[in-house]
Order: sequence, then structure tokens, then C-alpha cells
Amino acid sequence: EAGVVQSPRYKIIEKKQPVAFWCNPISGHNTLYWYLQNLGQGPELLIRYENEEAVDDSQLPKDRFSAERLKGVDSTLKIQPAELGDSAVYLCASSLGAVGIQYFGAGTRLSVL
Amino acid sequence: RKEVEQDPGPFNVPEGATVAFNCTYSNSASQSFFWYRQDCRKEPKLLMSVYSSGNEDGRFTAQLNRASQYISLLIRDSKLSDSATYLCVVNTRAGTYKYIFGTGTRLKVLA
Repeated sequence: EAGVVQSPRYKIIEKKQPVAFWCNPISGHNTLYWYLQNLGQGPELLIRYENEEAVDDSQLPKDRFSAERLKGVDSTLKIQPAELGDSAVYLCASSLGAVGIQYFGAGTRLSVL
Repeated sequence: RKEVEQDPGPFNVPEGATVAFNCTYSNSASQSFFWYRQDCRKEPKLLMSVYSSGNEDGRFTAQLNRASQYISLLIRDSKLSDSATYLCVVNTRAGTYKYIFGTGTRLKVLA
């Protein structure tokens, strides 16, 4: 069975440009998470979906970040415009319910120049 | 104070050694606990869940102390392949469920 799939794996952009990341969770997993991970730190939650509903987006910088999960399956995370400080790894994870074990995708490594 | 705290290390140990990591959490409403392993430039992967009675998986033993609000991970007979970052993860319900990750503890097993 396929795990969590993310694309692209790497992205290099100039500051002020837009960027989007895509995630396809494990089949049947209704809960989807987007995390940001900086070097030497643990993942920090940006947003959590239960099906198509964003149930926790308190840590999402809404002035420049947006996310959607229109059909309750795959999801996109967008940054517009990107800033230098957005350089990080963006991880997607999924689980069966809010207390299920999380499985992570390989992440997208973003470099903003 | 961070909600989940870990010593970042690095812990440098020789092969065959026993090493232990602790993790403290601040929210007494925390309900479930995990250790994840993360290799350099890879995604976190579940190592083991942590149960109230303690649990063991081969060379790995996890313990939970709810009274003192900490969990521990013990690795016996360390292998070179155990070199990685170990992330402590706590699931807390504060309105809604939330997974909180520690910063991770780096382990280097030396030949």
C-alpha cells in the first residue's frame, strides 16, 4: 500500500514568488496534517484537516499561507508571497482519526532565495 | 516553557552501549505518547507507542510516568544503525486533539 505522497521533493524560488505543495494521504485516512520543520527542530503543526474541514489552523500564518482539501482526500498548501524565513521542510502526515498514529510523507524542502 | 521538552544532545555512545532519553511534557491532559525516529534529511517514522504499563520492542523499552509527566526511551546494545534523531510526541486534548513534537534528541553510535 502506498504511503503519504508529497510533491515536489525540492523547490527553490526567489522571495516574493508563490509556491504550492501537494499531498496525497494514505487511502482511508480522514485526518491530514501539514507541518513545518526547521533544522534542529521538531515538526510544528500548521493545519489539521478532518475530512475536508480545517479543524485546527491556529498556527497557520493566514496572511501568506493557505491550504485546501476540497474533496477530503489530497491537499495543497500554498505560500504567497514567500519570504526568506519560509525556507524549511514542509511535511504532510495522515492518520485514521485525530488520535491515530501519524504517517509522514517524505516532505518538500523549500529554499527561498 | 515548551510543552514537550527534550535534551537535544548529541549523545555519542559506543556500539553496544545502553543509552536512555527522557522527555517531559507540561500538559497533564496529554493522552497518548510516542517515540518517532528521524534519519538525516528523512521524514519521521514511528518507532513505538508508549503505554502506561511500559512496553518493550526488541532492544527498545519505553516508559511513561504520568505523575512526573515524563516518558523515556531506553536503547540496549546500541547499533551503528541506531544513529538518528529521536522525537518525543505527545497527543494532547485542549479543545481539540493536537500532536506536539519535541525538538528531538540526536544519537550517534560510534564504532
